[in-house]
Amino acid sequence: DTGVSQDPRHKITKRGQNVTFRCDPISEHNRLYWYRQTLGQGPEFLTYFQNEAQLEKSRLLSDRFSAERPKGSFSTLEIQRTEQGDSAMYLCASSLGARGNTEAFFGQGTRLTVV
Amino acid sequence: DQQVKQNSPSLSVQEGRISILNCDYTNSMFDYFLWYKKYPAEGPTFLISISSIKDKNEDGRFTVFLNKSAKHLSLHIVPSQPGDSAVYFCAATPRINSGAGSYQLTFGKGTKLSVIP
Repeated sequence: DTGVSQDPRHKITKRGQNVTFRCDPISEHNRLYWYRQTLGQGPEFLTYFQNEAQLEKSRLLSDRFSAERPKGSFSTLEIQRTEQGDSAMYLCASSLGARGNTEAFFGQGTRLTVV
Repeated sequence: DQQVKQNSPSLSVQEGRISILNCDYTNSMFDYFLWYKKYPAEGPTFLISISSIKDKNEDGRFTVFLNKSAKHLSLHIVPSQPGDSAVYFCAATPRINSGAGSYQLTFGKGTKLSVIP
């Protein structure tokens, strides 16, 4: 499977714990995005990488959130001191091309439940 | 403030008929628009897009129409098939390199389409 891969698919954690998600983009894609989707809403942009550089961050990305893409390949999203409001589907996407957002390919997402 | 609005949460259509999904936007900086389809437990899948320099783009059974003056776009599916049943998201992005936000998609809340056999 050469699509965007996210791990884990599901995560249940207790409030206050830290969690880390991984995204493996399509191999030749240099652009990588993180989105968050809550029930009844569309995906909301969190952050964007071009290669290893984090070029945009949403104000939704509080200090408890950090994302990395150390070698310009896979990316991790860490949430520290999780809160119940962090419960959501976290989606990763990747793309290649001059217009970064055209035909972004999404992974299946990681569903986080904070109890 | 929602910049991309899909005012119909759901739509039911008979198989073989036309499905029309609507989307309105408020940000005049948006100049590229996309439709994504999402099945349960899967990520969104790109369907079709349109640039602001066009008013129509067609791909097989799917056609997207853009009315810039009304800040409105619509997705037409003809003929509708049961496999089209999914949530459809409208998304928009500003002109590339236009500043902050030019690499992010802004999504609507989605419309759940049910195609009845």
